[in-house]
Amino acid sequence: EIVLTQSPGTLSLSPGERATLSCRATQSVRSSYLAWYQQKPGQAPRLLIYGVSNRATGIPDRFSGSGSGTDFTLTISRLEPEDFAAYYCQQYGSSPWTFGQGTKVEIK
Amino acid sequence: QVQLVQSGAEVKKPGASVKVSCKASGYTFTNYGISWVRQAPGQGLEWMGWISAYNGNTIYTQKVQGRVTMTTDTSTTTAYMELRSLRCDDTAVYYCARVPSYLPLDVWGQGTTVTVSS
Repeated sequence: EIVLTQSPGTLSLSPGERATLSCRATQSVRSSYLAWYQQKPGQAPRLLIYGVSNRATGIPDRFSGSGSGTDFTLTISRLEPEDFAAYYCQQYGSSPWTFGQGTKVEIK
Repeated sequence: QVQLVQSGAEVKKPGASVKVSCKASGYTFTNYGISWVRQAPGQGLEWMGWISAYNGNTIYTQKVQGRVTMTTDTSTTTAYMELRSLRCDDTAVYYCARVPSYLPLDVWGQGTTVTVSS
């Protein structure tokens, strides 16, 4: 099983700042099948990024994904008030699919 | 529009079973799979498994293997997840999500809260 470790656990930033979230895998993620989700309290997760760097439908271009192999990054270029939420990475290249434990982006 | 609508909250006693439904609309049901993901209170996301709506093939995680059954009914475009021998640590919000081929979970249901308590 591939274990995904996200860092930091919590990121305290102000609106307008840049957020950089990390996701590290215990083994290489097959075919770059790495996704990122956003989840707000009381809501279902929402797909942001798939295939490491492809934005899902309707996702603004301030969200970008990068990385390869075992190290991946989600960058939010300029935080908007609605971006303060929890973010999860997920690998879907090997069964069982696994999620990272999440990074909470909170208002400083 | 593409939508997954789940059944309502459930309260169960330890040892009981629960069956959660997930009604799909707005797309060709058999062209996609359905995954089930759960989230314990204050915790992260846990993938439970996947079912093909085309042929009913399933994959379950070791953690729930033997206690879970995922099924689909193509006549009603509904997916089901049954979990048996419930324990207190099965208390969670259970989500269904659509799975396109070679893509991750692109559309999610609203979640169903399952509480297991004596």
